Amino acid sequence: GNSVTQMEGPVTLSEEAFLTINCTYTATGYPSLFWYVQYPGEGLQLLLKATKADDKGSNKGFEATYRKETTSFHLEKGSVQVSDSAVYFCALSDRQAGTALIFGKGTTLSVSS
Amino acid sequence: ETGVTQTPRHLVMGMTNKKSLKCEQHLGHNAMYWYKQSAKKPLELMFVYNFKEQTENNSVPSRFSPECPNSSHLFLHLHTLQPEDSALYLCASSQAQNANTGELFFGEGSRLTVL
Repeated sequence: GNSVTQMEGPVTLSEEAFLTINCTYTATGYPSLFWYVQYPGEGLQLLLKATKADDKGSNKGFEATYRKETTSFHLEKGSVQVSDSAVYFCALSDRQAGTALIFGKGTTLSVSS
Repeated sequence: ETGVTQTPRHLVMGMTNKKSLKCEQHLGHNAMYWYKQSAKKPLELMFVYNFKEQTENNSVPSRFSPECPNSSHLFLHLHTLQPEDSALYLCASSQAQNANTGELFFGEGSRLTVL
């Protein structure tokens, strides 16, 4: 079946540090991949997505590249800010299988000034 | 403001109570979802409705009863819950499931505490 595995948190960084949050997936079909972010007290919102292999999703300085050969979709940002403190969820959608979004457990990022 | 509104934001109930969570979307979507978010666990998909018809039920206990009277409204009726049901319940909406690119729009959630 389809599944998503992301690195355990929390991740604690100083402002302007480089961020990587690892995400790997298992899928029977050809999934689309997503990163969602949940700021404190809020629901999830889409951060970026990639729909096919080698696509790069980007938004707000965050990037992730869909790597079929390593079944990965790692989230990166070159210089984090305090306002990036949130929980980040990797997710996949297998439209061919008709399934709703499947999420990882989430990784908490805490950025200090 | 995501266009998906959930009420109440917080709910405390005893195990014998009956309560309901409400979700309303103003995005013109045709699919609506209930997810359960518990600490240190992946988001758990509970129910999916497409055009008011339930299309997924992920082995959810019958003490959770969904209702979708139209494409804009979704309810989760709760009765005889257990303390382990305490969690954040998230509602989401999207384009119809078979046309969905995978982007869901979430509400802020209803924090449920079962005593």
